[in-house]
Amino acid sequence: DGGITQSPKYLFRKEGQNVTLSCEQNLNHDAMYWYRQDPGQGLRLIYYSQIVNDFQKGDIAEGYSVSREKKESFPLTVTSAQKNPTAFYLCASSITDRGTQYFGPGTRLTVL
Amino acid sequence: EDQVTQSPEALRLQEGESSSLNCSYTVSGLRGLFWYRQDPGKGPEFLFTLYSAGEEKEKERLKATLTKKESFLHITAPKPEDSATYLCAGQNTGGFKTIFGAGTRLFVKA
Repeated sequence: DGGITQSPKYLFRKEGQNVTLSCEQNLNHDAMYWYRQDPGQGLRLIYYSQIVNDFQKGDIAEGYSVSREKKESFPLTVTSAQKNPTAFYLCASSITDRGTQYFGPGTRLTVL
Repeated sequence: EDQVTQSPEALRLQEGESSSLNCSYTVSGLRGLFWYRQDPGKGPEFLFTLYSAGEEKEKERLKATLTKKESFLHITAPKPEDSATYLCAGQNTGGFKTIFGAGTRLFVKA
């Protein structure tokens, strides 16, 4: 079955730690995205990648980093510089950067 | 600035009580208007894409419509399993930029 997978489902981070969220897709989509979802707010774009080995900052990239070494994978690292990382993180992909985005199941990150 | 606003924030319906969710947008050169359904603790599930004013799309009890300023998600004779948060998003002609509304939480009581 084609789709987008995210792992882990739940993640706990201690102060000062970097953590990496995984996102994999087997839809053969070129574009991939990371969003953050907080209660009562719309999804906010962290980073996006239109093609392998290329990515751009979204609206709230500070404290986050990404890589796109393979078409199928777009991991997100939440660094210790992100002061308020507790949120629900969603990965999405689309055929091109102009297409409908399809989402993974999400990772809930909690800072201890 | 591009913006998408959804109303109401929450909507409580009795089973069978039809209603509509509103999505107002100010998106420069709208390329597409998207509707998603999101269950608690899960990722959004794609429902519809609308491209031009006057367009309508249907799926089971849901029908999405689009005007030059708004989109509506009509729910006909809802059932408890339709309870979820419904998200609206607009994509501008720049391509990658998709702006999401905060969503409408729908509760359908049996």
